[in-house]
Amino acid sequence: DAGVIQSPRHEVTEMGQEVTLRCKPISGHNSLFWYRQTMMRGLELLIYFNNNVPIDDSGMPEDRFSAKMPNASFSTLKIQPSEPRDSAVYFCASVPLTGGQGTGELFFGEGSRLTVL
Amino acid sequence: SQKIEQNSEALNIQEGKTATLTCNYTNYSPAYLQWYRQDPGRGPVFLLLIRENEKEKRKERLKVTFDTTLKQSLFHITASQPADSATYLCALVAGGSYIPTFGRGTSLIVHP
Repeated sequence: DAGVIQSPRHEVTEMGQEVTLRCKPISGHNSLFWYRQTMMRGLELLIYFNNNVPIDDSGMPEDRFSAKMPNASFSTLKIQPSEPRDSAVYFCASVPLTGGQGTGELFFGEGSRLTVL
Repeated sequence: SQKIEQNSEALNIQEGKTATLTCNYTNYSPAYLQWYRQDPGRGPVFLLLIRENEKEKRKERLKVTFDTTLKQSLFHITASQPADSATYLCALVAGGSYIPTFGRGTSLIVHP
């Protein structure tokens, strides 16, 4: 398996522009997470999906952020309009649900580094 | 409020020594605790999990302890190597959940 695949790996954009980050989870994994990592705040959970359904989006910072999972093999995180304070590394991770808990080991992608000028 | 604390200062040690990293938490009742490794520019990679009813877990040169009374986990790397240099993250999972909450990580630098 190729692992969790994220694109783009790097994105530089100007304030006000729309940014779309993409994620392909590992096949067979039915939970998907979006995290954001900064030096100041570390890894923060933004939103997670079970079986393509958003379960908890309380970590999404504001209405400028939205996430979708139209099918089991694809998810997007959109920021519109982007601001300089959104600059961070955005990680997607997936996990197989096994009887509700299992080990909870997250499989992370390599991240998308976003810079908003 | 819930808090997970890892030493923000980098840990510098000499090759061959044992590295010990600390994860402290407050206002949590974790069902289990995970340790991840993160290399620069890469995503975190899972290393070990320890459950609340386990005192110690080992995997090759890695050892994790979990003291729910002290609210602390220690992560040990024995016979450390320069290739062990990375940031190590602890993550707590509350009972009834499977969503890890991460500490900010501690950087380990092993000098040859």
